[in-house]
Amino acid sequence: EAQVTQNPRYLITVTGKKLTVTCSQNMNHEYMSWYRQDPGLGLRQIYYSMNVEVTDKGDVPEGYKVSRKEKRNFPLILESPSPNQTSLYFCASSRQGRVYEQYFGPGTRLTVT
Amino acid sequence: DAKTTQPTSMDCAEGRAANLPCNHSTISGNEYVYWYRQIHSQGPQYIIHGLKNNETNEMASLIITEDRKSSTLILPHATLRDTAVYYCIVSRATSGAGSYQLTFGKGTKLSVIP
Repeated sequence: EAQVTQNPRYLITVTGKKLTVTCSQNMNHEYMSWYRQDPGLGLRQIYYSMNVEVTDKGDVPEGYKVSRKEKRNFPLILESPSPNQTSLYFCASSRQGRVYEQYFGPGTRLTVT
Repeated sequence: DAKTTQPTSMDCAEGRAANLPCNHSTISGNEYVYWYRQIHSQGPQYIIHGLKNNETNEMASLIITEDRKSSTLILPHATLRDTAVYYCIVSRATSGAGSYQLTFGKGTKLSVIP
């Protein structure tokens, strides 16, 4: 089944403790992206990647890092999480040239205390 | 990318057509209109897109006005499972600076009523 998977689905952590949210897709998509969703603010793009080793900032990249060493994986790294990064996170992927048709993962609900 | 304006919320009776409007008066000639929806806390789902012609697929129809300043997403026979937030997005489809970002606004919350 074609899908985007994220792990963990739920995470509660403390300020400053480094964490990684994994994202993997099995559709051989070139393009991958991370979004965060907060009440009243809608979906905002954090980072995106057009292909392996090619990443770029979205609208809200501060406090996040990403890497794209393999085509299928696009982990989101929070080096020193803070409470304002408490949010619902979505990973998405698409074929290059059809970036408008993005397939989203199920989401990761992160709480930073 | 052009800015879009959508109503905050709408109701629709089950079995009736749901017509969701979107204004995009500053759309430029190379920008497409895309629609996504998000069922409560799930990942958004692509629905349909168009440039200037009306489009139809198994999920919905998209009607774009001749001047392209507005569009309407039509769900022909709404069901309870269509209750979701619907996002109208305007963006370029081809490569170029900034064109790989889809910017989601606040969307329209559609409630399908039994």
